[in-house]
Amino acid sequence: GDSVTQMEGPVTLSEEAFLTINCTYTATGYPSLFWYVQYPGEGLQLLLKATKADDKGSNKGFEATYRKETTSFHLEKGSVQVSDSAVYFCALSGGGSYIPTFGRGTSLIVHP
Amino acid sequence: EAGVAQSPRYKIIEKRQSVAFWCNPISGHATLYWYQQILGQGPKLLIQFQNNGVVDDSQLPKDRFSAERLKGVDSTLKIQPAKLEDSAVYLCASRFDRVSADTQYFGPGTRLTVL
Repeated sequence: GDSVTQMEGPVTLSEEAFLTINCTYTATGYPSLFWYVQYPGEGLQLLLKATKADDKGSNKGFEATYRKETTSFHLEKGSVQVSDSAVYFCALSGGGSYIPTFGRGTSLIVHP
Repeated sequence: EAGVAQSPRYKIIEKRQSVAFWCNPISGHATLYWYQQILGQGPKLLIQFQNNGVVDDSQLPKDRFSAERLKGVDSTLKIQPAKLEDSAVYLCASRFDRVSADTQYFGPGTRLTVL
């Protein structure tokens, strides 16, 4: 079946540091890929998405590129802020089935 | 546009008791999902509805969990009887359609504690 693997957290950074959160996937077919963010006490909300190979999703300074050859969708941001502290989930949909599949989540902690 | 509504936000019960959660999706969204999110893990799909029909319930523990979506709008998820391992956050999400590129919109979740 489909699966998503994310790097373990927590990731701890100082404000204005560069962020990378790795995500790789296994799926049949041609899934769409997503990054969701979950702030404390809230539900998940979409951060960005990409629907086909080589597409780049971007939002709020975050970017991720759909790499079919390496089956990856790594999340990056050039300069993180304290307000970016949250849990980030990589997900896919439309692989072998219509069942959305999520990674375990990576906690990001940004210090002033 | 109103978001996905869920209630209650928190529930504490003892094992072997019953509990029910309610979800109201975004108006016009045909696809509705219930997920279980155990602490430190990603959401795990329990059941997926398309309008009022079940698309997938392969990961729903049917001996104790049930869900329905009458009239293709609101949905309820029930656990009867609850076990300690059911302690988790139960998330409801909706999507305009089940096309893979569509965004899911999540509610705030119901945090269940089973004692």
